[in-house]
Amino acid sequence: EPEVTQTPSHQVTQMGQEVILRCVPISNHLYFYWYRQILGQKVEFLVSFYNNEISEKSEIFDDQFSVERPDGSNFTLKIRSTKLEDSAMYFCASSPGRIPGETQYFGPGTRLLVL
Amino acid sequence: AQTVTQSQPEMSVQEAETVTLSCTYDTSESDYYLFWYKQPPSRQMILVIRQEAYKQQNATENRFSVNFQKAAKSFSLKISDSQLGDAAMYFCAYRKVNNDMRFGAGTRLTVKP
Repeated sequence: EPEVTQTPSHQVTQMGQEVILRCVPISNHLYFYWYRQILGQKVEFLVSFYNNEISEKSEIFDDQFSVERPDGSNFTLKIRSTKLEDSAMYFCASSPGRIPGETQYFGPGTRLLVL
Repeated sequence: AQTVTQSQPEMSVQEAETVTLSCTYDTSESDYYLFWYKQPPSRQMILVIRQEAYKQQNATENRFSVNFQKAAKSFSLKISDSQLGDAAMYFCAYRKVNNDMRFGAGTRLTVKP
């Protein structure tokens, strides 16, 4: 069964450094998402992406964040200058298309620790 | 704004027994979708069950079923014949058509042997 994959599974970085989190959505899916989960808290929406542009973003997704689909398979989340409070689990998700209420399929997550 | 509330931070159930996890939500929409996701210690998010708001019939997936009360904006998850592998965090989530998902704070389920 196809699944969303994410790399790396864990990332440790110094405050102020740039990080890129990578995701490979399910191959025939058209909508892509990033969520984050700070330890012990709820999963929070960051951004959705469709047709090579951001379709929706939350207030968390400020100028420090950017997303890109550099090729036909990868979907990346870049954090330009990491802060301590960026430490969280980051989940990528994808859904097939514009059918209302489609299920989003989540990847296993990348655990980011900012020191 | 859509909010999702899970009022039970923790629940416990004896193996083979039945447990119900509560979820309420707030919305002014009539067309939306509701989900339960399971998050085991690995922290992966696994879809358990989904419900379309326009359907009156409650969704069922094997041992998992929901009690969807649209007027009350309630969406509880019932786990029958609980198994040790059911132990996890359970998140209720709401999604408008073609929008992102809003999650509740989660309920940690413990299954006692």
